[in-house]
Amino acid sequence: AQKITQTQPGMFVQEKEAVTLDCTYDTSDQSYGLFWYKQPSSGEMIFLIYQGSYDEQNATEGRYSLNFQKARKSANLVISASQLGDSAMYFCAMTHFGNEKLTFGTGTRLTIIP
Amino acid sequence: DSGVTQTPKHLITATGQRVTLRCSPRSGDLSVYWYQQSLDQGLQFLIQYYNGEERAKGNILERFSAQQFPDLHSELNLSSLELGDSALYFCASSANTEAFFGQGTRLTVV
Repeated sequence: AQKITQTQPGMFVQEKEAVTLDCTYDTSDQSYGLFWYKQPSSGEMIFLIYQGSYDEQNATEGRYSLNFQKARKSANLVISASQLGDSAMYFCAMTHFGNEKLTFGTGTRLTIIP
Repeated sequence: DSGVTQTPKHLITATGQRVTLRCSPRSGDLSVYWYQQSLDQGLQFLIQYYNGEERAKGNILERFSAQQFPDLHSELNLSSLELGDSALYFCASSANTEAFFGQGTRLTVV
C-alpha cells in the first residue's frame, strides 16, 4: 500500500527566506509519480510540481523545486524567496503507474511572516 | 484558473436529502476523479471515470454514485445524507500525469 507522510503540521517562515516542506513516501513499486499541491484559504487545490520516479533531475517550476531522494524515499518541496502569498496548506501526493488516483499526505500549513 | 469547473460552489442541505454535484473537466481531458476532503479523513479518493467508464473506485460509500456523460462532464450523486458527509468535494481531470482540480463544492449537511 502507498503512504505519504508529512511530519510538519505547521511552519512559520520569515518573508523572503527559503522554506523546505518535508514529504516521505512508502511504496514497493518502481514506477510512481510525486506531486505537490497548494491549498490557500479559499479552498482550491493548485498543482505546483511533479516528479516521476525515473526522472534523474530534480523537478523545478519557478520558485518551486522538488528535492527528490529516491533511496531515502523523500520528496521535499523547496520554495525559494518566500512571499506572503505562499501562506497556505501544502499537500504532498503520489500516484502509481496504472493507478492514477492520488494518495495525499495530511498536509503542512505554511505561514509566511512579514 | 485550472480549467475544471465545479457547480455549485456551496450547498447546504438537510439530513436524509439527496444532492448532485457537477464537474466539467478541462477541454480534452478524458479522466475525471472525485475526492472528498474532510477534517477527520483528510483528502480521500472516491472514484475515477475515463471516457465514460468507471476506472477505479476508492472509499466511496454505497449511498454515493457517480457517472460521466458522453460530453465528459461528470456528476457525483450523494443520497441519504448524514451530518458526517459534510465536506469539500473536489473534481479533478487529467490527460497525462498532472491532475488539475476544480474549486470544489462545499457541502454542509444540517
